[in-house]
Amino acid sequence: TQLLEQSPQFLSIQEGENLTVYCNSSSVFSSLQWYRQEPGEGPVLLVTVVTGGEVKKLKRLTFQFGDARKDSSLHITAAQPGDTGLYLCAVSNSGYALNFGKGTSLLVTP
Amino acid sequence: DVKVTQSSRYLVKRTGEKVFLECVQDMDHENMFWYRQDPGLGLRLIYFSYDVKMKEKGDIPEGYSVSREKKERFSLILESASTNQTSMYLCASSLYSRLKNQPQHFGDGTRLSIL
Repeated sequence: TQLLEQSPQFLSIQEGENLTVYCNSSSVFSSLQWYRQEPGEGPVLLVTVVTGGEVKKLKRLTFQFGDARKDSSLHITAAQPGDTGLYLCAVSNSGYALNFGKGTSLLVTP
Repeated sequence: DVKVTQSSRYLVKRTGEKVFLECVQDMDHENMFWYRQDPGLGLRLIYFSYDVKMKEKGDIPEGYSVSREKKERFSLILESASTNQTSMYLCASSLYSRLKNQPQHFGDGTRLSIL
């Protein structure tokens, strides 16, 4: 089992602020996925990163995969209340299942 | 869009009961998964299935069993429910791929309380 450490565990910010959350491990990954889980719903895939150093943008969200493929970050610019949720990173294990980090719980207040 | 439907959003059962959680997906996905989600512990894999009648144990299979008689349906069974099985249960499905990094599509979860 590949251990994924996510930080911070909780984050509460005002609308309009920028933030970065992290997903770290001592293992090398072939790919990494980011999910967002809104209250009362299941997680939804945001992005998959595959190449070391890769940067992907999804509107105000910027995802980066570390050069050594051991870590990843998610940066949100000008956060909005609709960004509130639990952000999870996940990697494939040796089979078809995913190992998830424990997540960063983000609250954006107006 | 893939739709993963879990039969109940909320369920209350008593200790010792046999509990069935049902999950159906409509996109002909080969892989299906059951997780439980608890505060501070994240998502933990209970069982998964990569084909009809095939199943593999996840990280926490004790006290649970599964059934996959049809490709679209994956059932989680609590043989004799206990209070420590009170949790949010999430079902997911994914397409088979040799790359093994296919996204998982989740249902909205069943919040199960065992009294």
